[in-house]
Amino acid sequence: DARVTQTPRHKVTEMGQEVTMRCQPILGHNTVFWYRQTMMQGLELLAYFRNRAPLDDSGMPKDRFSAEMPDATLATLKIQPSEPRDSAVYFCASGLFVWGGSLYNEQFFGPGTRLTVL
Amino acid sequence: AQTVTQSQPEMSVQEAETVTLSCTYDTSESDYYLFWYKQPPSRQMILVIRQEAYKQQNATENRFSVNFQKAAKSFSLKISDSQLGDAAMYFCAYRSEVDSNYQLIWGAGTKLIIKP
Repeated sequence: DARVTQTPRHKVTEMGQEVTMRCQPILGHNTVFWYRQTMMQGLELLAYFRNRAPLDDSGMPKDRFSAEMPDATLATLKIQPSEPRDSAVYFCASGLFVWGGSLYNEQFFGPGTRLTVL
Repeated sequence: AQTVTQSQPEMSVQEAETVTLSCTYDTSESDYYLFWYKQPPSRQMILVIRQEAYKQQNATENRFSVNFQKAAKSFSLKISDSQLGDAAMYFCAYRSEVDSNYQLIWGAGTKLIIKP
């Protein structure tokens, strides 16, 4: 069955290193979201794309985070340089949003990438 | 700006009994959607149930049902015949129908513990 996939599932790295997380949205979905989940802040929206174009990345620290969609089947979230405070679970979600169309415009979540920055 | 509040950080229930998780939200909009998501220890976010604000009838999905009180801006989740597999974090979420960005506004979550 169709599902959102994320790689890697776990990542341990040292402070200052570059981290790249990847997401494959469900085929045919036109919107991709990146979330970060921590105990302190809960679920935070970092960025999202519609038809591969970035619509909002105001939730991301601009100096170190970047998000891209090289093509419709791949979304990436990069942190450079990483810091211990970036330790969190990063979720990707995708959905098919049609203005005035689909009733619920549900977001389907991937399994997440657990990032630990030492 | 819209906000979602889940006032119960943790709830526990005996297996086979019924439990209700509360959620309140604040909005000035009349058209929106409300969702309950479940996050088990596997971390996978799973949609449990959803409600359109214009529908007066409460949504139901098997053992899961909601009590949607639009005037009170309340959206509680009732789980009947609780099972061990229901143990998870439960998140309430709001999405505007007017805002074409379709962002979800999340509550802080309620941890549900099922006692065998």
